[in-house]
Amino acid sequence: EDQVTQSPEALRLQEGESSSLNCSYTVSGLRGLFWYRQDPGKGPEFLFTLYSAGEEKEKERLKATLTKKESFLHITAPKPEDSATYLCAVQASNSGGSNYKLTFGKGTLLTVNP
Amino acid sequence: DTGVSQDPRHKITKRGQNVTFRCDPISEHNRLYWYRQTLGQGPEFLTYFQNEAQLEKSRLLSDRFSAERPKGSFSTLEIQRTEQGDSAMYLCASSHRQGPYEQYFGPGTRLTVT
Repeated sequence: EDQVTQSPEALRLQEGESSSLNCSYTVSGLRGLFWYRQDPGKGPEFLFTLYSAGEEKEKERLKATLTKKESFLHITAPKPEDSATYLCAVQASNSGGSNYKLTFGKGTLLTVNP
Repeated sequence: DTGVSQDPRHKITKRGQNVTFRCDPISEHNRLYWYRQTLGQGPEFLTYFQNEAQLEKSRLLSDRFSAERPKGSFSTLEIQRTEQGDSAMYLCASSHRQGPYEQYFGPGTRLTVT
C-alpha cells in the first residue's frame, strides 16, 4: 500500500527565515510526486510535479526536490502570505487497473509571522 | 480559463437524509476524481472516472455512496441515508487523459450532518 508521511506537522517561521518541509514516501513504482498548497476552507492548489530522482522545480520562493525515498519543499525568505498547509501526494504506476489516484500525506501547516 | 467548480459549497443536512453534490471539471479534461477530506487529514481518494466510465472505487466508498458522470461531462456524488461520520469536505479534481498527470481541484463541498 502506498504511503506518504510529511514532517513536521506544523512549522512556525519568522518572515525571511528559510526552511524545508519533508515528504517521505513508499510506493510500488512512482509515476509522479505532487506538491499542493491548501488555504483554510479551500481546495488544494497545484504547485509542482516531480517525476524522477534528481529533478528540481522552482516557483517564486518555493523549490521542490526529489530523491528515491523523499521530497523536500524548500521555502526561501518566506512571507506571511506563504502561510498555508502544504500537501504532498504520490501517484503510483501500478500494473493493471486505474493508476491515477493520488495518495496524500496529512500535510504541514506553515505559519509565517511578520 | 475556468477551473473546476463544485455546487453547493456548503450543505447542512440531518442524519438519514440523502444529499447530492455536483462537480464541473475543466472543459478539456476527461478524467475526474472525487476525494474526501476530514480535519487535519489529507484528501482520501473515493472514485475516478475516465469520460463516462467509472474505473475505480475506493473501499471507503460504501454502498450508500454512488457517483455518476453522464455523457462524460459533469459528475454527481450522492450519499444516501447520511450519517454523522459522513461530515467532511468533498473535493472534486480533474486532469488530462495524457500526461502531465497533475490534478486540479475544485473549491470543495463542506458537508455537515447533524
